[in-house]
Amino acid sequence: DQQVKQNSPSLSVQEGRISILNCDYTNSMFDYFLWYKKYPAEGPTFLISISSIKDKNEDGRFTVFLNKSAKHLSLHIVPSQPGDSAVYFCAASGNQFYFGTGTSLTVIP
Amino acid sequence: ETGVTQSPTHLIKTRGQQVTLRCSSQSGHNTVSWYQQALGQGPQFIFQYYREEENGRGNFPPRFSGLQFPNYSSELNVNALELDDSALYLCASRFSGGQTEAFFGQGTRLTVV
Repeated sequence: DQQVKQNSPSLSVQEGRISILNCDYTNSMFDYFLWYKKYPAEGPTFLISISSIKDKNEDGRFTVFLNKSAKHLSLHIVPSQPGDSAVYFCAASGNQFYFGTGTSLTVIP
Repeated sequence: ETGVTQSPTHLIKTRGQQVTLRCSSQSGHNTVSWYQQALGQGPQFIFQYYREEENGRGNFPPRFSGLQFPNYSSELNVNALELDDSALYLCASRFSGGQTEAFFGQGTRLTVV
């Protein structure tokens, strides 16, 4: 029972353009959402989070949007850089963290 | 401030054996969680410890067990290893209380042959 879903396994974007990564969840009780970035042979690194009382949180080039009615969140990266190439996981916090299956982002120079 | 560290980084075991993985939490963190990440999947929650007590468990059999020590370091033990236990095992620590992010170690790659 996958409570957090990332339906795009991969995404390719030109350097300088916007990357949009999407995530859907099923449990309306989730109140905190996070994005992690993972490079090969490393653990996930925290990127940005958002509380369910907000609909947007911004940190530099990274912005997370939350649409509670649609149970959908997205991560925008502007402008995208080659160093952003990694696997991105969204996660939802209940009594534990529930992770999606990840989206592999490739930023093409 | 030290981050989350895990040992060993890689391990090969034979089916039926037992394994112990170790994790040192980030300084100041009182909650540690363990996750299993199979190839092509997201991390799956195994269990969580808070102040040396298990306070949450995912859909994993009892042969997956753990400990948290007074210094908040932790162990994951897996008995009677199966081939499907081959995965990346991740430890994450955070400070419990409110909405806080978890910080992950680099993981232990376990291969069961």
